Amino acid sequence: EAQVTQNPRYLITVTGKKLTVTCSQNMNHEYMSWYRQDPGLGLRQIYYSMNVEVTDKGDVPEGYKVSRKEKRNFPLILESPSPNQTSLYFCASSLGTANSYNEQFFGPGTRLTVL
Amino acid sequence: QKEVEQNSGPLSVPEGAIASLNCTYSDRGSQSFFWYRQYSGKSPELIMFIYSNGDKEDGRFTAQLNKASQYVSLLIRDSQPSDSATYLCAVRYTDKLIFGTGTRLQVFP
Repeated sequence: EAQVTQNPRYLITVTGKKLTVTCSQNMNHEYMSWYRQDPGLGLRQIYYSMNVEVTDKGDVPEGYKVSRKEKRNFPLILESPSPNQTSLYFCASSLGTANSYNEQFFGPGTRLTVL
Repeated sequence: QKEVEQNSGPLSVPEGAIASLNCTYSDRGSQSFFWYRQYSGKSPELIMFIYSNGDKEDGRFTAQLNKASQYVSLLIRDSQPSDSATYLCAVRYTDKLIFGTGTRLQVFP
């Protein structure tokens, strides 16, 4: 089944404790992206990657890191989480950006709480 | 800052009516436009995309685009209670997808 998977789905952690949220897709997609969703603010892009070893900042990259060592995986790293990073996180992937109407497929979401 | 604006709602319509959802965007360089549906606690799923001026129909859904007015809308005909969800408008700028905050639609029996 074609899908985007994220782990963990739910995470409660404490300020300053490094964490990684994994994202994997099995559709051979070039483009992958991380979003956070907050009430009243909608979906905001954190980082995106157009291919292996190519990453770029989205609109809200502060406090996050990403890597793209393999095409299928795009982990999101919070080196020192803070309470303002409490949010619902979505990973998404699409074939690429050459075709301007490529559909983005979303993972199921990771609900992160930082105490 | 490129912006996508939506009324947060809720928009309440009776079952069987037409629901009209609207979205405006700030950048005339926008390339393509998407409507996603998101049920509470779930991930967004694509309903339709449109990139040319005019209307595009898919079943009960019609997307309308007016680039001169920087306006895109989604019409849902014969609304059903199962259509109750948040509808996200998204606009493509080069390699980024910018989302609006969404409009919550409630369809009551």
